[in-house]
Amino acid sequence: QVQLVESGGGVVQPGGSLRLSCAASGFTFSSYGMHWVRQAPGKGLEWVAFIRYDGSNKYYADSVKGRFTISRDNSKNTLYLQMNSLRAEDTAVYYCAKDSSWYGVDDPWGQGTLVTVSS
Amino acid sequence: DIQMTQSPSSLSASVGDRVTITCRASQGIRNDLGWYQQKPGKAPKRLIYAASSLQSGVPSRFSGSGSGTEFTLTISSLQPEDFATYYCLQHNSYPPWTFGQGTKVEIK
Repeated sequence: QVQLVESGGGVVQPGGSLRLSCAASGFTFSSYGMHWVRQAPGKGLEWVAFIRYDGSNKYYADSVKGRFTISRDNSKNTLYLQMNSLRAEDTAVYYCAKDSSWYGVDDPWGQGTLVTVSS
Repeated sequence: DIQMTQSPSSLSASVGDRVTITCRASQGIRNDLGWYQQKPGKAPKRLIYAASSLQSGVPSRFSGSGSGTEFTLTISSLQPEDFATYYCLQHNSYPPWTFGQGTKVEIK
């Protein structure tokens, strides 16, 4: 069955960097686009970034453009999110999710990893 | 960017009630919309895709309808396990993919 497992979250100071990983299994990772979605404490869901199946196109929310970089290693079935110049407002649980092409963000999502930006 | 306006932001209902949640898109999105359920501390789970298609394994009391700019999620008979927050998400015009603000369904 499809499984997505995020890791790499933690506490980081404002201006710092962090790299999240999402290990995928149970499907042909190299055939699917992938998303990162986040949720600040007590808030709603916010789409963050998307990468096409082969890494040829990447899209970002305006709130993270120029600071975050999405990437993937299809040989390792792993998705990444490099987060630089972190701000307090980036504090959130970060989820990875598979794209289903015609039908948007698919199920299941990962369990999420918490990023806390605080001094 | 397409804005998704979800209403109500919260509602109180009793077990057995029929519940309806609405999402309006700022421009037409055909049927490129999904509905997600999220329980506290858990990842969202998709209930409906393509506006009206039931995700595998989701109980039939959940249904979706609509096309263009107005969409509805209906729970025909609310069950105790349905108390959660619900979100719509459009994938017609991107980036960005955009969520509604969420609807928290609470016990009356």
